[in-house]
Amino acid sequence: AQSVSQHNHHVILSEAASLELGCNYSYGGTVNLFWYVQYPGQHLQLLLKYFSGDPLVKGIKGFEAEFIKSKFSFNLRKPSVQWSDTAEYFCAAIKAAGNKLTFGGGTRVLVKP
Amino acid sequence: KAGVTQTPRYLIKTRGQQVTLSCSPISGHRSVSWYQQTPGQGLQFLFEYFSETQRNKGNFPGRFSGRQFSNSRSEMNVSTLELGDSALYLCASLQGDPSTDTQYFGPGTRLTVL
Repeated sequence: AQSVSQHNHHVILSEAASLELGCNYSYGGTVNLFWYVQYPGQHLQLLLKYFSGDPLVKGIKGFEAEFIKSKFSFNLRKPSVQWSDTAEYFCAAIKAAGNKLTFGGGTRVLVKP
Repeated sequence: KAGVTQTPRYLIKTRGQQVTLSCSPISGHRSVSWYQQTPGQGLQFLFEYFSETQRNKGNFPGRFSGRQFSNSRSEMNVSTLELGDSALYLCASLQGDPSTDTQYFGPGTRLTVL
């Protein structure tokens, strides 16, 4: 079955620390990948997405993600976090031309000021 | 552009009742997806509609159903409610292609089943 897994359920770090959130997917064939973020009390919103081309994707708010096909991974990174990055982050995948977006379990990130 | 709206925002029901949730997509968007979000299971795909047709369905029992109207508004219905149906139900709207389009999420409907 197609699935998306996020290794860390909770991450706590201090401002200015670097962040990396892991995401692995189990899909055959071409897959499109997304990272969504849910800030406290707000809607889920898109951070970045990858379909093809440069495997290093830049998104909003200084986030980037790297697609590594051989590892079935799409890890999210930010070099220096801020308190405002406190949120829950979701990785998601969908087969190219598919209809069903599958989300990982989410990672709650707490940034201490 | 107005965002995705969901009504009602909060609902309290008792076991055995049924409930209907509504979602109005962003103007011009023809596809609506529904998700159930719970602390234990995370975000799970319920179904997706495009031009009034269900294109895909997740692994939920038949008690969960939906439909889409000609104006792209969508409703989902849950019959014979169970305690485990307590969740945040999210609707997402997109222009047409779930595999490439950004999904724009609404605020959700928080359903509590007592």
